[in-house]
Amino acid sequence: AQSVTQLGSHVSVSEGALVLLRCNYSSSVPPYLFWYVQYPNQGLQLLLKYTSAATLVKGINGFEAEFKKSETSFHLTKPSAHMSDAAEYFCAVSGQGGATNKLIFGTGTLLAVQP
Amino acid sequence: DGGITQSPKYLFRKEGQNVTLSCEQNLNHDAMYWYRQDPGQGLRLIYYSQIVNDFQKGDIAEGYSVSREKKESFPLTVTSAQKNPTAFYLCASSPPRGRSNQPQHFGDGTRLSIL
Repeated sequence: AQSVTQLGSHVSVSEGALVLLRCNYSSSVPPYLFWYVQYPNQGLQLLLKYTSAATLVKGINGFEAEFKKSETSFHLTKPSAHMSDAAEYFCAVSGQGGATNKLIFGTGTLLAVQP
Repeated sequence: DGGITQSPKYLFRKEGQNVTLSCEQNLNHDAMYWYRQDPGQGLRLIYYSQIVNDFQKGDIAEGYSVSREKKESFPLTVTSAQKNPTAFYLCASSPPRGRSNQPQHFGDGTRLSIL
């Protein structure tokens, strides 16, 4: 069984500040992990993915995430927030070796960026 | 450019009426998915299909039906049995599991409301 927990449904940062969005997962098999971003009334866009090649994953728009097996975490970070980063962010998990690419999503974190 | 097209973008349903949401992809993906998104609940899987003429129930299939007659198309019908259909519906697709770690690609969604 797999699950994802995103701590903090709302996060607010100032423009230029560090962005840290938390994701913890539970998986009975080695996981694939993903971060997606959603802008209002749009679909989800892939930010980055962990597929066991490297624990530090770099994505688009300056975001990166680090896979920490010991902490079962895959937190998303960005050194300096931009106003355009304001959106909802979803962490998702899929199990390696499974028959499908089914994803289990967290409940999302809404990021607000203050000027 | 390849992608996923969902239509219509906004849809209104009368009480007791069935409505069908369209999802078309030209990514040549075998697998397709339907999700329902409600505020604060993330994405929940309604149905998925790994191959033409085959589909499986997700976590919240009651009140919904699908068909997969063509690889490119995966329409979702919201039936009158779905008592709370107001939500944002997202369609996604992905290569089959054998194509290693490929993420799901999403359409821009259909927002369904009750009149």
